[in-house]
Amino acid sequence: AQKITQTQPGMFVQEKEAVTLDCTYDTSDQSYGLFWYKQPSSGEMIFLIYQGSYDEQNATEGRYSLNFQKARKSANLVISASQLGDSAMYFCAMREGRGSTLGRLYFGRGTQLTVWP
Amino acid sequence: NAGVMQNPRHLVRRRGQEARLRCSPMKGHSHVYWYRQLPEEGLKFMVYLQKENIIDESGMPKERFSAEFPKEGPSILRIQQVVRGDSAAYFCASSEQVPRRMTGELFFGEGSRLTVL
Repeated sequence: AQKITQTQPGMFVQEKEAVTLDCTYDTSDQSYGLFWYKQPSSGEMIFLIYQGSYDEQNATEGRYSLNFQKARKSANLVISASQLGDSAMYFCAMREGRGSTLGRLYFGRGTQLTVWP
Repeated sequence: NAGVMQNPRHLVRRRGQEARLRCSPMKGHSHVYWYRQLPEEGLKFMVYLQKENIIDESGMPKERFSAEFPKEGPSILRIQQVVRGDSAAYFCASSEQVPRRMTGELFFGEGSRLTVL
């Protein structure tokens, strides 16, 4: 089974509008972390936001917020007030809390976001 | 504050040659992770190393691939007798010695893009 599922291969949003990128995950661990990364066309991986499984509040970082619904095992990324520079591939990832595998992230296949003027 | 440094950024090899990819972690980081990104896919974990130790190599192909992180110098990902299917972006990431709780992102390098002709 896929650990991380991103069902939207591509999304389009107009500048200044908000957009939600979907992510569902699958784990039997009680302790885990969820991440979102941005990969622009230049190729580097840019960390955006993190949510721990025990965090009671949804994580926020500037224009990024993570809509964490634990019972549904979803961790959607919300980008408010989209900008042209937000156009990129977005990856959801998960880390499970099992000792030596703490550094191992499972990535989804990504969602290509295009922001149009 | 240099980030994770990878080189070369681009590497072209012919089938059967060897490819060596280097990664210098962030200052103060002693944990290194290698990920592979095939075209149109998310990143897949390959191996997790600490200085002079391989901690988790469960994502490494059984043949032709090896990784090391010596006491001195960068981490090396070595691919022997490359084939066309090895063409991918190879990302290195590093983390602090002891990740705090489950927090903290991995710091990724800009990737090395291997093309096998």
